[in-house]
Amino acid sequence: GEDVEQSLFLSVREGDSSVINCTYTDSSSTYLYWYKQEPGAGLQLLTYIFSNMDMKQDQRLTVLLNKKDKHLSLRIADTQTGDSAIYFCAERPYGNNRLAFGKGNQVVVIP
Amino acid sequence: DTEVTQTPKHLVMGMTNKKSLKCEQHMGHRAMYWYKQKAKKPPELMFVYSYEKLSINESVPSRFSPECPNSSLLNLHLHALQPEDSALYLCASSQEEAVEGSPLHFGNGTRLTVT
Repeated sequence: GEDVEQSLFLSVREGDSSVINCTYTDSSSTYLYWYKQEPGAGLQLLTYIFSNMDMKQDQRLTVLLNKKDKHLSLRIADTQTGDSAIYFCAERPYGNNRLAFGKGNQVVVIP
Repeated sequence: DTEVTQTPKHLVMGMTNKKSLKCEQHMGHRAMYWYKQKAKKPPELMFVYSYEKLSINESVPSRFSPECPNSSLLNLHLHALQPEDSALYLCASSQEEAVEGSPLHFGNGTRLTVT
């Protein structure tokens, strides 16, 4: 089964870059997602990548995938106070409706 | 703004009450999901509907009863809940399976408190 791990807390100054890491264990073709959850809200899809890709960039967000180490990272450039939230990575094997979430990483942006 | 709408936003119910949570999407998605999320924890899958048929039940107690009246609507009927069932209940939808990664789109959830 899928097992997704994340570290717990990151503090970053406004304007700096944030990097959030995640490891996954499924070895088959899989989709990997990043979600953002602000207090009292649902999960907002930020971006996703298929496991045959190495990198995806979308405005301030860059996703890097190291398939050998099964390591996924999300880089947020020019971090803003509105980026303060919990970030979840999630894995969904191809053809499977089960989405496995990591524990989440709380990002606090200091003005 | 989310394209998955959940009502109500907040619900307080006693252990003998019967209530329902509602979820609606108009993105033409054919898979819909219920998740339960406790504070500072990741969401946990409860149920999956695929083409209006229940395809996954993650051994959820029978006091939670899902219903999918049509492809746009998903309900969760609640009866005889326990205080430990208090949580954020999230609905999500996706295109079926392998279409462009089929990302799940979540609603803002219903904050449920059982007294």
